[in-house]
Amino acid sequence: GIQVEQSPPDLILQEGANSTLRCNFSDSVNNLQWFHQNPWGQLINLFYIPSGTKQNGRLSATTVATERYSLLYISSSQTTDSGVYFCAAGFTGGFKTIFGAGTRLFVKA
Amino acid sequence: DAGVIQSPRHEVTEMGQEVTLRCKPISGHNSLFWYRQTMMRGLELLIYFNNNVPIDDSGMPEDRFSAKMPNASFSTLKIQPSEPRDSAVYFCASSPGIRGADTQYFGPGTRLTVL
Repeated sequence: GIQVEQSPPDLILQEGANSTLRCNFSDSVNNLQWFHQNPWGQLINLFYIPSGTKQNGRLSATTVATERYSLLYISSSQTTDSGVYFCAAGFTGGFKTIFGAGTRLFVKA
Repeated sequence: DAGVIQSPRHEVTEMGQEVTLRCKPISGHNSLFWYRQTMMRGLELLIYFNNNVPIDDSGMPEDRFSAKMPNASFSTLKIQPSEPRDSAVYFCASSPGIRGADTQYFGPGTRLTVL
């Protein structure tokens, strides 16, 4: 079946470090989003990126649709970056958005 | 804009009771989604509306669950009768696009506990 897989499942960083989160998806997508769920449970949309590269401050994302993966880069991490990062994909020809299991990030001061 | 509004934020009820969750999407958005988040199953799409019409309800777990969108500014998710395994955080999201092919904006969620 259609799958969205994220790695790593858990990540601990020292404040100021950089990191790369990966999302693999099993089929063609018409929709790829990255979300941050903060410790209070709020889901914040970071990027809508079915293809190409986008940047927003210390965060950037790249999706290579032909190779079925997306990357989220976090540079100069801060303690407020802690939380769970989700990748969500909508697959061509369908309506569903399928979420990965998430990467749980903890940034130490 | 106030963003997606959900109510109540917390709901505690007893098994067998009816539960109604409410959502007000962002004005002008064409699509509305209901999701459920649990530790065991993560985030799951329950149902998707486009222009107030249910398009895909294949994620609704059982007939005890029903969702309506009587107009562009209001949707409900009802569970009747509720069971302890329904305990979860229920999120509503809206999107300006169709077929889910656009940014989704999430509400704060309703934390449901069924005793």
